[in-house]
Amino acid sequence: EIVLTQSPGTLSLSPGERATLSCRASQSVSSGTFLAWYQQKRGQAPRLLIYGASTRATGIPDRFSGSGSGTDFTLTITRVEPEDSAVYYCQQFDASPRTFGQGTKVEIK
Amino acid sequence: QVQLQESGPGLVKPSETLSLTCTVSGASIRSDYWGWIRQPPGKGLEWIGYMYDSGSTNYNPSLKSRGTIGRDTSKNQFSLKLSSVTAADTAVYYCVRENRNYYSSYSYVFDIWGQGTTVIVSS
Repeated sequence: EIVLTQSPGTLSLSPGERATLSCRASQSVSSGTFLAWYQQKRGQAPRLLIYGASTRATGIPDRFSGSGSGTDFTLTITRVEPEDSAVYYCQQFDASPRTFGQGTKVEIK
Repeated sequence: QVQLQESGPGLVKPSETLSLTCTVSGASIRSDYWGWIRQPPGKGLEWIGYMYDSGSTNYNPSLKSRGTIGRDTSKNQFSLKLSSVTAADTAVYYCVRENRNYYSSYSYVFDIWGQGTTVIVSS
């Protein structure tokens, strides 16, 4: 099983600040096509944010970007806005079982 | 527009079997991968398993063989049965589509999610 470890657990930021979220895999993810990021707002189902490690899903603002390969992946929000308050999960499809990171909570002050 | 809707009892007694149904509109369950993900209260997401093609399945070993995913193609529905439930199975259960070629990118994603249904295991 590929264990995904996200850090930090919580980010508390003011509007306009930069958010950098890390996702580290216990073994190499063989292709970026197998790594996705999701955003989950309180009381809602998760929503696809980034696929292929670096491509924004439809309708996702360009302040969101993804990067990385192998065992280290990053989600960046260049200038956070109040509506970005959510929990963000990385997730891998390279192996079964599919696994998610434990999530990073982004709080906007 | 593809939509998923979960349904089933919101309360299940310990040791009994949890049964949920996902109704799919806008796509056929005869193709693609259809599965379940759950989220215990205040915790993260756990993949349960999926069904695909002719009805083949793949499950998370963490369920210890308690899970069964089935389908009714005449109703375009798939289901989850989880046996011998305990309080640890209390969660929001989501049905999802696993798309293995998202926008022809060959990327894998869970692109369609149901709204989720809460199941509480309690006597």
